[in-house]
Amino acid sequence: SQQGEEDPQALSIQEGENATMNCSYKTSINNLQWYRQNSGRGLVHLILIRSNEREKHSGRLRVTLDTSKKSSSLLITASRAADTASYFCATDARGAQKLVFGQGTRLTINP
Amino acid sequence: GAVVSQHPSRVICKSGTSVKIECRSLDFQATTMFWYRQFPKQSLMLMATSNEGSKATYEQGVEKDKFLINHASLTLSTLTVTSAHPEDSSFYICSARAKLAGVTDTQYFGPGTRLTVL
Repeated sequence: SQQGEEDPQALSIQEGENATMNCSYKTSINNLQWYRQNSGRGLVHLILIRSNEREKHSGRLRVTLDTSKKSSSLLITASRAADTASYFCATDARGAQKLVFGQGTRLTINP
Repeated sequence: GAVVSQHPSRVICKSGTSVKIECRSLDFQATTMFWYRQFPKQSLMLMATSNEGSKATYEQGVEKDKFLINHASLTLSTLTVTSAHPEDSSFYICSARAKLAGVTDTQYFGPGTRLTVL
């Protein structure tokens, strides 16, 4: 079953702008991960944030985690056309030993 | 970094036939392997979790007699779609949870297998 709910489902912005995607989940987690998937391709792991962390950076990516609200956000700064892809959050629920994916956000960067 | 391969990358078969998909962890031992299915423009749905040498644990609604999973070693898991039908056409993705330096919370994903059943 799906644990994560993501919004927006689709996002279209101009190159150079920032893109923010949100993810909400239902149960206690060990960590939350963000993945990128280009159309018809496999997943690329972007970043993992543990339940005791609040913010994490990796290059142009910034991830926040609010365990009290059971939500996370992914910010991509200075977007590029190559960032066009679907982005998924996935939660590693406590005791579950498996990743459950959110519905994803389709991001389109217009040149 | 850790690499997971899948074979084949694409397969087209006739309705009623069985198809086997292999998932291998190339440079690490996987404590657990997972199989996901993804329909077009949808998210990944977990089908089953398998540990080496034991029976797979299937998610609710996934038919274990239709989707046979064998996890023969710490580096190989296979998914066999038996008596495939057009509605089984999908993108099948495996992942392996690594046992690296005592850290077991990282999953590495294969590139996926596109199954088309005619």
